[in-house]
Amino acid sequence: DTGVSQDPRHKITKRGQNVTFRCDPISEHNRLYWYRQTLGQGPEFLTYFQNEAQLEKSRLLSDRFSAERPKGSFSTLEIQRTEQGDSAMYLCASSRGGPGELFFGEGSRLTVL
Amino acid sequence: DAKTTQPPSMDCAEGRAANLPCNHSTISGNEYVYWYRQIHSQGPQYIIHGLKNNETNEMASLIITEDRKSSTLILPHATLRDTAVYYCIVRPFTGANSKLTFGKGITLSVRP
Repeated sequence: DTGVSQDPRHKITKRGQNVTFRCDPISEHNRLYWYRQTLGQGPEFLTYFQNEAQLEKSRLLSDRFSAERPKGSFSTLEIQRTEQGDSAMYLCASSRGGPGELFFGEGSRLTVL
Repeated sequence: DAKTTQPPSMDCAEGRAANLPCNHSTISGNEYVYWYRQIHSQGPQYIIHGLKNNETNEMASLIITEDRKSSTLILPHATLRDTAVYYCIVRPFTGANSKLTFGKGITLSVRP
């Protein structure tokens, strides 16, 4: 069990640029979640996959955000035309499904200048 | 929106028990109570969960009231490393909707 891995851990970009984050879940976990967390707030749900199917998207996930999970393994979260309000920690989590716990990665911190 | 209510902060002395309260008066019969914590700049860490019976593991104990409208997380011997934000979350155990909905949590400060 190597845990949930996220890359990069930190990203600084200029407004208007595109950024992509990668999440590698715990192997054999069929559910994968993306969350966003801003300073002083709890994590906010963005989207969730079961295998390769994206089953739920939050209204927070604007048209500039897209997430994929090809082949039901790793996932990517892309933000196009970044804005300063996108600055946050982006967290990924995975689980086996059912009532089992979610395992979170260490997050990818985005700073948009 | 989060279905739980927690005080914003509390502190306790190192070595003493930390009792973290949570209200979830609208909890449904198919919802578990979960506790996670988040140490500064790290991802949330699972602590414990329960349905209606009290639960204990190597990290903590979870006491759920008989009517299930509130619960208490107990850290039996708090250490400085337990300083973190603790989130109480209710989550259904059936159906496709399995996401966790976080509130603001309670900030626990353990003092030497």
